[in-house]
Amino acid sequence: DQQVKQNSPSLSVQEGRISILNCDYTNSMFDYFLWYKKYPAEGPTFLISISSIKDKNEDGRFTVFLNKSAKHLSLHIVPSQPGDSAVYFCAAKAGTGANNLFFGTGTRLTVIP
Amino acid sequence: ETGVTQSPTHLIKTRGQQVTLRCSSQSGHNTVSWYQQALGQGPQFIFQYYREEENGRGNFPPRFSGLQFPNYSSELNVNALELDDSALYLCASSLGGRSTEAFFGQGTRLTVV
Repeated sequence: DQQVKQNSPSLSVQEGRISILNCDYTNSMFDYFLWYKKYPAEGPTFLISISSIKDKNEDGRFTVFLNKSAKHLSLHIVPSQPGDSAVYFCAAKAGTGANNLFFGTGTRLTVIP
Repeated sequence: ETGVTQSPTHLIKTRGQQVTLRCSSQSGHNTVSWYQQALGQGPQFIFQYYREEENGRGNFPPRFSGLQFPNYSSELNVNALELDDSALYLCASSLGGRSTEAFFGQGTRLTVV
């Protein structure tokens, strides 16, 4: 039972344009959401996060939007750069003592120069 | 400050054998989690250790076991290996708590033949 879903396995965007990566979740107990970026042969690298008490968090070129009623979040990258080409994972966790993350299956972003 | 390091990076084992994977957590981090990432999937939570005690477990059988040492490094042990255990095994360390991100190592690629 996949509690975090990324329905687009891949996305191609022209350099300089906006990249929008989407993520849906089913568990209403999730209260913290994270995006990770993964290059081949490396572990996931933390990118940006958002608490459920917010609907937007911005860090430089990266902005995450959270729509709790729709159980949907998105990551916006603007402007997109070729170095952003990677697999992006959405992850979520519930506010319990355990720190386990539930991951989506990832979206491969390709930024075309 | 050192990051999360895992060893070995690659490993080939025969079905039925046992394997031990190792992880050194990031300096100052007292919580270590292990994840299994099968091909084309997102990481799946195996278990978590906090101050040498297991404090969370995902949907994995008991032949997956672990340890955390006083210096917060950790081991993942898998007994009676099956072909489906072939995956990338990721270790993540964190300070614990509700809203802190986990930092991942580069992973160990395990192939069971």
